[in-house]
Amino acid sequence: EAQVTQNPRYLITVTGKKLTVTCSQNMNHEYMSWYRQDPGLGLRQIYYSMNVEVTDKGDVPEGYKVSRKEKRNFPLILESPSPNQTSLYFCASRTLSVGLYGYTFGSGTRLTVV
Amino acid sequence: GENVEQHPSTLSVQEGDSAVIKCTYSDSASNYFPWYKQELGKGPQLIIDIRSNVGEKKDQRIAVTLNKTAKHFSLHITETQPEDSAVYFCAAVNYGQNFVFGPGTRLSVLP
Repeated sequence: EAQVTQNPRYLITVTGKKLTVTCSQNMNHEYMSWYRQDPGLGLRQIYYSMNVEVTDKGDVPEGYKVSRKEKRNFPLILESPSPNQTSLYFCASRTLSVGLYGYTFGSGTRLTVV
Repeated sequence: GENVEQHPSTLSVQEGDSAVIKCTYSDSASNYFPWYKQELGKGPQLIIDIRSNVGEKKDQRIAVTLNKTAKHFSLHITETQPEDSAVYFCAAVNYGQNFVFGPGTRLSVLP
């Protein structure tokens, strides 16, 4: 089954404790992205990657890091989480083939930073 | 940059009625307009999309219309069912492949 898998689904952590949210896709998609979803603000892009070793900032990159060492994986790293990073996070991927195609999203990670 | 507005923010309809959600965009270079459905506890799922060279597209009970001149596109759901209850997001995408999402519409279908 074509899917984007992110883990964990739920995470509660304390301020300043480094954490990583993993994301993996099995569709051989070139493009991967992280979004955060907050009430009233919709989906905002954090970082994206158009291929292995190629990453770039989205609209809200402050406080986050990413890496793309393999085509299928795109982890999101919070080196020193703060309460304002409490949110629902989605990883998504899509092809860059000719034509524009929609994203496939993961099931989400609900992060709470206390 | 692109800005996408979406209305209404919440919508309640009786089962069997139609629902319409409208989005407006600002960048005339946008040429791809997908719609996503997000059910409780799940990630957004693509339900229908339309490209700028097409005015309307249908898939069973859902349809999307695009008015490039007015820069707006709409999602139409006919014969609504309880399982249509969800949050719906529109997006506008330009040749640079940057997706800009609307803030979402919470649709409730009342039995």
